Amino acid sequence: EAAVTQSPRSKVAVTGGKVTLSCHQTNNHDYMYWYRQDTGHGLRLIHYSYVADSTEKGDIPDGYKASRPSQENFSLILELASLSQTAVYFCASSDWGVSYEQYFGPGTRLTVL
Amino acid sequence: GDSVTQTEGPVTVSESESLIINCTYSATSIAYPNLFWYVRYPGEGLQLLLKVITAGQKGSSRGFEATYNKETTSFHLQKASVQESDSAVYYCALRSNTNKVVFGTGTRLQVLP
Repeated sequence: EAAVTQSPRSKVAVTGGKVTLSCHQTNNHDYMYWYRQDTGHGLRLIHYSYVADSTEKGDIPDGYKASRPSQENFSLILELASLSQTAVYFCASSDWGVSYEQYFGPGTRLTVL
Repeated sequence: GDSVTQTEGPVTVSESESLIINCTYSATSIAYPNLFWYVRYPGEGLQLLLKVITAGQKGSSRGFEATYNKETTSFHLQKASVQESDSAVYYCALRSNTNKVVFGTGTRLQVLP
């Protein structure tokens, strides 16, 4: 009954390959987010979306694209994966605006070799 | 920009001992940011532990407490007696005027039985 799910939970990719991380929420929230976490850093916002078919750049969007085909689904796309994109990626959802609480998925551990 | 600094982990304490995880913030974009503590248990996504939106107020949840101190720009997390089940990673965060949430690097807590 988890409200935010992510797939895959872990992935090993090759440099230069394409990677797609998927996120699905059942919270009926308008806002969805993609963050990455690296050792020694807090969560950093990559992309977010407040409505289907529209995405916005976060603080570190370079090298990433996002897609929001429906209210429930939000994908993060690495067209040409690089070593520096090895990290744990978290998806989250929230109600209107960046409200008091964000609901997170369990994370995807991505390793780029 | 806005930032959050918290105790660098890992922090190891024995069961029934007291705990404090320090958090200080710098909010240049907003005078009174909303402050949060999130927790991530093994294998799960982040979840909100407590929040305080008014300076001088205290938030509490599951035996944890944090007071919003505007003078010292701090929001330390405390618990009088920890349990083994409190072992997790704790994140301090603030919501800035750009409606984004800025996270600290996280503090890993290990509670020994």
